[in-house]
Amino acid sequence: EVQLLESGGGLVQPGGSLRLSCAASGFNFDTYAMSWVRQAPGKGLEWVSAISGSGLNTYFVDSVKGRFTVSRDNSKNTLYLQMNSLRVEDTAVYYCAKGVISHDFWGQGTLVTVSS
Amino acid sequence: DIQMTQSPSSLSASVGDRVTITCRASLTIAHYLNWYQQKPGKAPKLLIYTASTLQSGVPSRFSGSGSGTDFTLTISSLQPEDFGTYYCQQSFTTVRTFGQGTKVEIK
Repeated sequence: EVQLLESGGGLVQPGGSLRLSCAASGFNFDTYAMSWVRQAPGKGLEWVSAISGSGLNTYFVDSVKGRFTVSRDNSKNTLYLQMNSLRVEDTAVYYCAKGVISHDFWGQGTLVTVSS
Repeated sequence: DIQMTQSPSSLSASVGDRVTITCRASLTIAHYLNWYQQKPGKAPKLLIYTASTLQSGVPSRFSGSGSGTDFTLTISSLQPEDFGTYYCQQSFTTVRTFGQGTKVEIK
């Protein structure tokens, strides 16, 4: 059974940093690209980032370029999202999702709140 | 970035009704279009990928069509459990984008 479990969310002040993790199980993690998608409170879905199975290729939406980095540790079956210089508008539930052409499995999400 | 526009933004329909949601891309995306269903407080669920392929385990009353810039999600006979918000997503460009969502309510 495929499972994705995010962690690391919380309350952070503007300008602060946070690292999200996504622990994967139930599939060959290193053969799949992975993605991060976020959803601001009461709003729609926004694709944030993706990383290839090897970790060599990464992609970001313009609004987070230069502030967020994505990485993975295939030995630990874990995906990461390092978020720096956080802004109020980054407040959202962050989901990790399997795949990059389509997302067939999603985690339950972790809430990131950026507020002073 | 490619903009995805869904219509309508919301709809209310009765059980058994045929429901159609459309999604228009600002540039051609071939068949790289996915549909998701999201219920309140839950993660999205993949329904359709590459415009018309039904995801495993999804009821056959859901279908997708289209290519290029215009796409459609159809629910042939609306069921009570089909309430929620539906999103389209393009995966043609490296920066994926979602539509703004269509909220489906059961009358």
